[in-house]
Amino acid sequence: KQEVTQIPAALSVPEGENLVLNCSFTDSAIYNLQWFRQDPGKGLTSLLLIQSSQREQTSGRLNASLDKSSGRSTLYIAASQPGDSATYLCAVLYNQGGKLIFGQGTELSVKP
Amino acid sequence: DAGITQSPRHKVTETGTPVTLRCHQTENHRYMYWYRQDPGHGLRLIHYSYGVKDTDKGEVSDGYSVSRSKTEDFLLTLESATSSQTSVYFCAISDLTANYGYTFGSGTRLTVV
Repeated sequence: KQEVTQIPAALSVPEGENLVLNCSFTDSAIYNLQWFRQDPGKGLTSLLLIQSSQREQTSGRLNASLDKSSGRSTLYIAASQPGDSATYLCAVLYNQGGKLIFGQGTELSVKP
Repeated sequence: DAGITQSPRHKVTETGTPVTLRCHQTENHRYMYWYRQDPGHGLRLIHYSYGVKDTDKGEVSDGYSVSRSKTEDFLLTLESATSSQTSVYFCAISDLTANYGYTFGSGTRLTVV
């Protein structure tokens, strides 16, 4: 069964800290992997999209890495800010145009 | 998100009434999806479409139907709403032109009383 797991489920850090969110997937034959951010009561905002042939993607203070062989991805957030507080979702796509399989998310709280 | 809109944003309806949610995109993307999000269950796929008039069921399709008569519109209908269908509904789009990355709409919060 294709499953995506995110650890930890919740994380609280002081402002300014660098942090890593983890995502693991059981089937390594992925097409791509996408990280999303969701604020309370809001929709999902795409942060980074990594194709299966890529090792990492960067956008501003965010860096996502992909290791297909070990079935893992990490989202690195540098110099965290209170505005980074949200739920972060990892999702894996196995087929073009297919269904995204989501992890349960990591709820991040950055304290001023 | 720019390029994908959902309507209505909020709706309260009574048990047993039909309800239609609309997803409209201006990106000309081939694939469209309806998900529901519930505490403890995360995001679950209801139905999806891979072209005009081409649709298929997802993992939680019972009690829902969809239609796609134009590339830009994907409608989700609850034939006879039940309290278990109280949820937040998200539409999403994807396409080769976006490397099959998903873009989500802002969601519809549906309450069935």
